Amino acid sequence: GENVEQHPSTLSVQEGDSAVIKCTYSDSASNYFPWYKQELGKRPQLIIDIRSNVGEKKDQRIAVTLNKTAKHFSLHITETQPEDSAVYFCAARYNNNDMRFGAGTRLTVKP
Amino acid sequence: DGGITQSPKYLFRKEGQNVTLSCEQNLNHDAMYWYRQDPGQGLRLIYYSQIVNDFQKGDIAEGYSVSREKKESFPLTVTSAQKNPTAFYLCASTHDRSSGNTIYFGEGSWLTVV
Repeated sequence: GENVEQHPSTLSVQEGDSAVIKCTYSDSASNYFPWYKQELGKRPQLIIDIRSNVGEKKDQRIAVTLNKTAKHFSLHITETQPEDSAVYFCAARYNNNDMRFGAGTRLTVKP
Repeated sequence: DGGITQSPKYLFRKEGQNVTLSCEQNLNHDAMYWYRQDPGQGLRLIYYSQIVNDFQKGDIAEGYSVSREKKESFPLTVTSAQKNPTAFYLCASTHDRSSGNTIYFGEGSWLTVV
């Protein structure tokens, strides 16, 4: 099936530093790439998304970049805060609304 | 997200028993999904449905069955053939294939085998 690879699996940063999470996808026809944040025992919540006709999107401290040629996209969180600590998932939408997720990155922001 | 309702939130299953997880949405979304999440793991696709009376297998469909008789409902049955069903199950939905709209999740159902 289609594949989404996510790295790293765990990431620890000091408060105020930046965090970057990267994902690659396998189908060049993919056209929609959301990022989700999941806190323990809760459902994933959308934090930002990007469509294939855009190379970069920013929302306050969060940004996503997309490289269609290389088939990878990245999440950037600047000025990290302890409340950013969570598991982050990338996803890619394939044909016919098939949505696949990466394995997740556990981000820890140390005060 | 409040438009997707999953029930029950907690469910215990005995060995050899079938159980059904309910998922209802009032968002008029076309596509619906079921994902399984094991502790500390990612989301794995079980089944998805684009329209009524149509559904496709995901990566881990074995031991599960679904139906889509109504647009707003996409129940998941965990059959006795699923040997390790203990997990967190998430239902989700999105608008349509062309718009690439956001996928919204229900609050999830915890299934435990006893």
